[in-house]
Amino acid sequence: EPEVTQTPSHQVTQMGQEVILRCVPISNHLYFYWYRQILGQKVEFLVSFYNNEISEKSEIFDDQFSVERPDGSNFTLKIRSTKLEDSAMYFCASNGGLSTDTQYFGPGTRLTVL
Amino acid sequence: QQQVKQSPQSLIVQKGGISIINCAYENTAFDYFPWYQQFPGKGPALLIAIRPDVSEKKEGRFTISFNKSAKQFSLHIMDSQPGDSATYFCAATNTGNQFYFGTGTSLTVIP
Repeated sequence: EPEVTQTPSHQVTQMGQEVILRCVPISNHLYFYWYRQILGQKVEFLVSFYNNEISEKSEIFDDQFSVERPDGSNFTLKIRSTKLEDSAMYFCASNGGLSTDTQYFGPGTRLTVL
Repeated sequence: QQQVKQSPQSLIVQKGGISIINCAYENTAFDYFPWYQQFPGKGPALLIAIRPDVSEKKEGRFTISFNKSAKQFSLHIMDSQPGDSATYFCAATNTGNQFYFGTGTSLTVIP
C-alpha cells in the first residue's frame, strides 16, 4: 500500500539554526499539507500546497516557515531560524484529486530545538 | 477561537463496552467531518468520516452520529478492544484545505 514517508524521523538542532524537514507524498496525490503536534496536544494545521503554490496557511505559518516542492517527489518544510517553541512533531500529509479526499499522514519528524 | 471542541479528554472503558467521543463545531460551512486514530509515535490515520447529508455512518465497530442542527458529531466504538487504545481526534473542514482538529481523546480499553 502506498504511504507518505518523512525524513528524518528525529532532528535535533540549536536555536536559531535552519532546518529542512522532508516528505515524499503518495505519488499520484495532488494536495500536500504540513501539520505540527506539540507533545500531548492537538494536531495543528500549518499549510496546504496545490499546483506548486500555497493554497492556505495558518497564523502559525509565519515568515520563518516556507515550503517547496523542489522536484516531482519531495515536499519540504523549512524553518529559517528555529525557536524553542518550534519543538514538536511535524506531520506531512497528502491526498488525491479532491481536496476532501482522505488525507494520508506520514509517520512524522520529531523536531527538538535546544 | 477553537473551531472544533472535543470531549472527553480521556476515557477508560472495559473490554466489550461502548466508547463514545463527542465533538462540536461552530462553522456551519464545514462539510466534511473525519475521525482520526493515532497510536504513540505514529501519524494520525483516518478511521471514518461523514458528510452532513447523512445522520449516521457505520463501518464495522465504528459509527459516526451527526446532528447538523446541534452542530455536533460523535464517534461510537462498539465492543471496544484493548487494541483500540489510542488517541482519537475529530476534525472538520469546509474548503478541504485547512482541517481543524479537536484536542484529542485518549482512550484506554482495559481487559
